[in-house]
Amino acid sequence: GAVVSQHPSWVICKSGTSVKIECRSLDFQATTMFWYRQFPKQSLMLMATSNEGSKATYEQGVEKDKFLINHASLTLSTLTVTSAHPEDSSFYICSARRGAGSPLHFGNGTRLTVT
Amino acid sequence: DQQVKQNSPSLSVQEGRISILNCDYTNSMFDYFLWYKKYPAEGPTFLISISSIKDKNEDGRFTVFLNKSAKHLSLHIVPSQPGDSAVYFCAASVRAGGTSYGKLTFGQGTILTVHP
Repeated sequence: GAVVSQHPSWVICKSGTSVKIECRSLDFQATTMFWYRQFPKQSLMLMATSNEGSKATYEQGVEKDKFLINHASLTLSTLTVTSAHPEDSSFYICSARRGAGSPLHFGNGTRLTVT
Repeated sequence: DQQVKQNSPSLSVQEGRISILNCDYTNSMFDYFLWYKKYPAEGPTFLISISSIKDKNEDGRFTVFLNKSAKHLSLHIVPSQPGDSAVYFCAASVRAGGTSYGKLTFGQGTILTVHP
């Protein structure tokens, strides 16, 4: 069964508003979670590494003030897209590792459409 | 700079035959490789992985081969089934630890279609 839960699965918002996406690890604790983004017909690109109890680490070219990450507990990380614009429309996916040496498991993703 | 490449955007195979999906990488630091399967509007599902100390790993109908000298890996699915139709991504990471641990670099994906 699923080991990573992501919510919502899809969201439509107006330009200028903010959207929060939640990622939960189910029945295990994840000190680190990863946020990816996928544009149509492109690969998954790592946006940032979410660390419980500390600041997230952002990949080059990803605006930390626009994509706010909060890893509030060992089972929850949130990604907030602030002041969303149509170019932020994408498929956002989080992932977590169940334990040392295990592969990354992904949530089902969130389809964000900004109108 | 695309460090992981899947040069075939699509592959069509008859049911029961072998599907071979290919992946090339350029970063010699990569030491852990994975294959994921993805359906539209869903997150990737882990299929199989291989460490750089091995050249083959098998799990049921899925076998991954790694050729380190050629920086090439492939996924073999035998026999292929219509339910295998999906997008397949290869991914690579540096498993040895440090800040790169856990970061996956993905290829562009290959759409596999298995015809009944």
